[in-house]
Amino acid sequence: DSGVTQTPKHLITATGQRVTLRCSPRSGDLSVYWYQQSLDQGLQFLIQYYNGEERAKGNILERFSAQQFPDLHSELNLSSLELGDSALYFCASSVGREGYEQYFGPGTRLTVT
Amino acid sequence: SQQGEEDPQALSIQEGENATMNCSYKTSINNLQWYRQNSGRGLVHLILIRSNEREKHSGRLRVTLDTSKKSSSLLITASRAADTASYFCATDALYNFNKFYFGSGTKLNVKP
Repeated sequence: DSGVTQTPKHLITATGQRVTLRCSPRSGDLSVYWYQQSLDQGLQFLIQYYNGEERAKGNILERFSAQQFPDLHSELNLSSLELGDSALYFCASSVGREGYEQYFGPGTRLTVT
Repeated sequence: SQQGEEDPQALSIQEGENATMNCSYKTSINNLQWYRQNSGRGLVHLILIRSNEREKHSGRLRVTLDTSKKSSSLLITASRAADTASYFCATDALYNFNKFYFGSGTKLNVKP
C-alpha cells in the first residue's frame, strides 16, 4: 500500500459526459501528479501540482483540467468524454517539488461507452 | 520525443536466473527512475539514479546509468516468480525536472 488513495476504482460513463477523479496523496507529500495509461499510448504524464500550484503540464487535453486543494487532495476533471478517453488514470505523489520518487495510487479505470 | 524505450519488450526466464532490461532515452536528464507494475495495478518505485551516478544497488536490483550513451539497465538477480511484472523506466528532462516520461515497458515473466 503506497498511501495514495484514488476514488472511484471503476467508472463507466457515456460519451459526452463529465467525470471527476479524486486523489489523496501520502501524508506529508506536497506534489501530486496525474497520469493516463492506455494500451496504445502507454503511460502519459498529464499534469503536476505542488502545494496547490500547477508546476508542470504534459499531454493534457484542453477537455481535461485538474486542481489541488488546500488540504492537498487533487481532482482531475474530464469533460466531453470520448471513447478514446477510456484508460487507467493514476495519481502519484511525492514529498518535494522535483527530483523525488513518486508513489502511485491504485488507479481509476474509466470506461467510456 | 523524450520518451524512453525499454528493451526487450518482453522477457521470459526461469526462476533463479538473472533478468536484464535496458532503457534508452533521447535528451539529457537529471534523474532516471525504474518502476514495477503488476498487471493493472499502480506502479511501485524501485530505484532513482541521478545523472551524476553510474550505478546503484537495492537488494537484488542493480541499476546502471550511462549518460554518454543515454541508456540505463536494470538487473534483477536470482529472479523469483513474484518478480513477474512490467518494468518501466522514467526520465525527466534536464531543464524541466517536473515532466516525467515513461517508456513503453518490459514485460517480465519468471517461470517457477
